[in-house]
Amino acid sequence: NAGVMQNPRHLVRRRGQEARLRCSPMKGHSHVYWYRQLPEEGLKFMVYLQKENIIDESGMPKERFSAEFPKEGPSILRIQQVVRGDSAAYFCASSSGQRRGYGYTFGSGTRLTVV
Amino acid sequence: QKEVEQNSGPLSVPEGAIASLNCTYSDRGSQSFFWYRQYSGKSPELIMFIYSNGDKEDGRFTAQLNKASQYVSLLIRDSQPSDSATYLCAVNPRNTGNQFYFGTGTSLTVIP
Repeated sequence: NAGVMQNPRHLVRRRGQEARLRCSPMKGHSHVYWYRQLPEEGLKFMVYLQKENIIDESGMPKERFSAEFPKEGPSILRIQQVVRGDSAAYFCASSSGQRRGYGYTFGSGTRLTVV
Repeated sequence: QKEVEQNSGPLSVPEGAIASLNCTYSDRGSQSFFWYRQYSGKSPELIMFIYSNGDKEDGRFTAQLNKASQYVSLLIRDSQPSDSATYLCAVNPRNTGNQFYFGTGTSLTVIP
């Protein structure tokens, strides 16, 4: 049973380009969480999604960032017109239900570098 | 005030010693508390969680929670060089649903 799968592992984009980060949850999981880890900072919550629904996007920057989790396929975190400050590690986690009490299992992450 | 605060370290201990990692949190109504280990360039790995006041032991790891003092700690007994990593404290505050707040982590080095 594969864990949470993220791809690509490393992504380099020039300023102004778009970045698409993918997250395939563990088998049987329908809840996905995205976190961002900036250099020298802690993990910051971005968004919580269930299939076809955004449940909590309170941590998402107001502009350029969007997320989706379609009925079929992986969850996508999309960053438009990337800037150098978007360079970070982006981690995804999944669960079969609300995980307040049990913590997350994270995927291996996507390390985005904006040049 | 940050929701979760940790001493960034670095913390160095000799092999075989006890490493003590500390974390404080601001939301008094927080319900659940977690410790993650993160090796350089890798994803965080859950190692302990605790809900109730007191101690919880799992192998060489002991999590301690004091809700009155809003304090949670992680003790690593018989520290090994393989324990060298950054340790992240995470808290699930009362009114944030599924959002977890993470500290910035404490870097631990175990010296052989």
